[in-house]
Amino acid sequence: ELKVEQNPLFLSMQEGKNYTIYCNYSTTSDRLYWYRQDPGKSLESLFVLLSNGAVKQEGRLMASLDTKARLSTLHITAAVHDLSATYFCAVEAGTYKYIFGTGTRLKVLA
Amino acid sequence: IAGITQAPTSQILAAGRRMTLRCTQDMRHNAMYWYRQDLGLGLRLIHYSNTAGTTGKGEVPDGYSVSRANTDDFPLTLASAVPSQTSVYFCASSDSGLAGIEQFFGPGTRLTVL
Repeated sequence: ELKVEQNPLFLSMQEGKNYTIYCNYSTTSDRLYWYRQDPGKSLESLFVLLSNGAVKQEGRLMASLDTKARLSTLHITAAVHDLSATYFCAVEAGTYKYIFGTGTRLKVLA
Repeated sequence: IAGITQAPTSQILAAGRRMTLRCTQDMRHNAMYWYRQDLGLGLRLIHYSNTAGTTGKGEVPDGYSVSRANTDDFPLTLASAVPSQTSVYFCASSDSGLAGIEQFFGPGTRLTVL
């Protein structure tokens, strides 16, 4: 059974600080996705990572994928309050089948 | 319509009742999905459809059924609701089931079964 684990589950950080969210998965996959969810809202796609070593950046967020370690990271640089949200990684477990992590709830304090 | 719509937005339902959650997309995506989101468990795939007329089971299909009569609509039916089906349900679609295609999510339906 494929498992996708994120850590930390909760993260409270000061504005201007850097931090990394980790996504570990238990089986071979070279396709991983990151989504953002604001409270009470739907999910929004952030990054699509398709191969080992893939790195994507958008603003203060950068995502990377190491398929050999079965690990993806979402790095936050100089956090701002607007980044407060829950972040999910999802692994493609088969055609049309996606397994989501439990999410990391990020709160950026002013 | 722009993107994915879901109806109803929220619903309180007595246990044992039948309920259909509606999902419509206007992006002509061939793949559609239903997820449930529960606190501490992330999103779990219930059913998916790769094209009109074809459906498949996800992680947690028991107690749910789906149909895909056309490209745009993908209703989810609870034949006899139980309290453990209390959750937030998200419909999603993607352009293809091929690797590397992001999913687009609807606004969700909050369902409470009493």
